[in-house]
Amino acid sequence: NAGVMQNPRHLVRRRGQEARLRCSPMKGHSHVYWYRQLPEEGLKFMVYLQKENIIDESGMPKERFSAEFPKEGPSILRIQQVVRGDSAAYFCASSPRQVTDTQYFGPGTRLTVL
Amino acid sequence: AQTVTQSQPEMSVQEAETVTLSCTYDTSENNYYLFWYKQPPSRQMILVIRQEAYKQQNATENRFSVNFQKAAKSFSLKISDSQLGDTAMYFCAFIWYNNNDMRFGAGTRLTVKP
Repeated sequence: NAGVMQNPRHLVRRRGQEARLRCSPMKGHSHVYWYRQLPEEGLKFMVYLQKENIIDESGMPKERFSAEFPKEGPSILRIQQVVRGDSAAYFCASSPRQVTDTQYFGPGTRLTVL
Repeated sequence: AQTVTQSQPEMSVQEAETVTLSCTYDTSENNYYLFWYKQPPSRQMILVIRQEAYKQQNATENRFSVNFQKAAKSFSLKISDSQLGDTAMYFCAFIWYNNNDMRFGAGTRLTVKP
């Protein structure tokens, strides 16, 4: 059973470009979470999705950031018009049933904004 | 406020010895879950151990065990017979029932010395 997959592992963008980060949950998992990790810090919750629904986006910046988890395909975290402060590691996690199930993490995408 | 505090930014231990990483949390909730995650240099987040607050018995996973003191809101991780592969950042995390926002501590960087 493959783990949580994220791609790309590394992404470099120039200021003003768009970044698209992808996450495929573990097989059988219908709950997806996105977290951001700044250097030397713990992870910060961004958004929680189930198939075709955003359940909780309380941790997501109000502008430029969006997330989706379509019926088919991976979950996408999209950052428009990136700025240097968006440089971070972005982790996706999935769980089978609910948030208090153990969340299994992907390897992360390291975004660097030049 | 629901917060997680790891008061030891860095620790080191000799191979084969035992080390304890501390974690305290602040919550008014009664139904919650606690986790320790390991982040090695590969930056993958790996679940080490999970504890349900309603369980009095401390969770154990091979060489890893916790000392869960609910009244003191303390959740320390003990690593026995430390191995070089245990070198990593260790994050304590907490999530409470009916909430989607897993909170992480700032992490403890553990180095196992040969």
